[in-house]
Amino acid sequence: EAGVAQSPRYKIIEKRQSVAFWCNPISGHATLYWYQQILGQGPKLLIQFQNNGVVDDSQLPKDRFSAERLKGVDSTLKIQPAKLEDSAVYLCASSFGRYQETQYFGPGTRLLVL
Amino acid sequence: GQQLNQSPQSMFIQEGEDVSMNCTSSSIFNTWLWYKQDPGEGPVLLIALYKAGELTSNGRLTAQFGITRKDSFLNISASIPSDVGIYFCAGPTTSGTYKYIFGTGTRLKVLA
Repeated sequence: EAGVAQSPRYKIIEKRQSVAFWCNPISGHATLYWYQQILGQGPKLLIQFQNNGVVDDSQLPKDRFSAERLKGVDSTLKIQPAKLEDSAVYLCASSFGRYQETQYFGPGTRLLVL
Repeated sequence: GQQLNQSPQSMFIQEGEDVSMNCTSSSIFNTWLWYKQDPGEGPVLLIALYKAGELTSNGRLTAQFGITRKDSFLNISASIPSDVGIYFCAGPTTSGTYKYIFGTGTRLKVLA
């Protein structure tokens, strides 16, 4: 069974530029999560989808971050414009359902904003 | 909001030694999860705990759900070099939307 796929693995941009990350969850997983992990910290949930609907985006900086999961399968996370403090690893995870289901994480995209 | 604090923040141990780490919160959790994150990878679930007082093992790893429901412990016996990584506790929030929060992490380094 294929795991959660993410691309790109690494990205370096300058501040005020835009960037997009892509995630393909495990087949059949209805719930998809985007986390931000700043160096030395634990992952912080940015947005959670149930199929193609948003369940929680309370910690998503909506003035610059956006995410979509149009067909309820793969998802993109965009930052526009990027700030220095956005430098982090962006992790995508998926689970079969929402409640007490194991979350499977992708390898992450490492973003450096200069 | 709810927070999870882990200690120690980091530890260096000799191969073969046992390791203990813990996770505490000021509020109650109904589920405790322990993850391990290898360098350059996403976290992988090690153990899940669903009941206060529960003690669960996974190979050399043993985790316990604290009786107060405000803490959890992870022990690793006879550490080996591949145990190197960052260990995170996590749990679903008990207020608002059901979502997981992660602890601050314990970084483990094993000296051969």
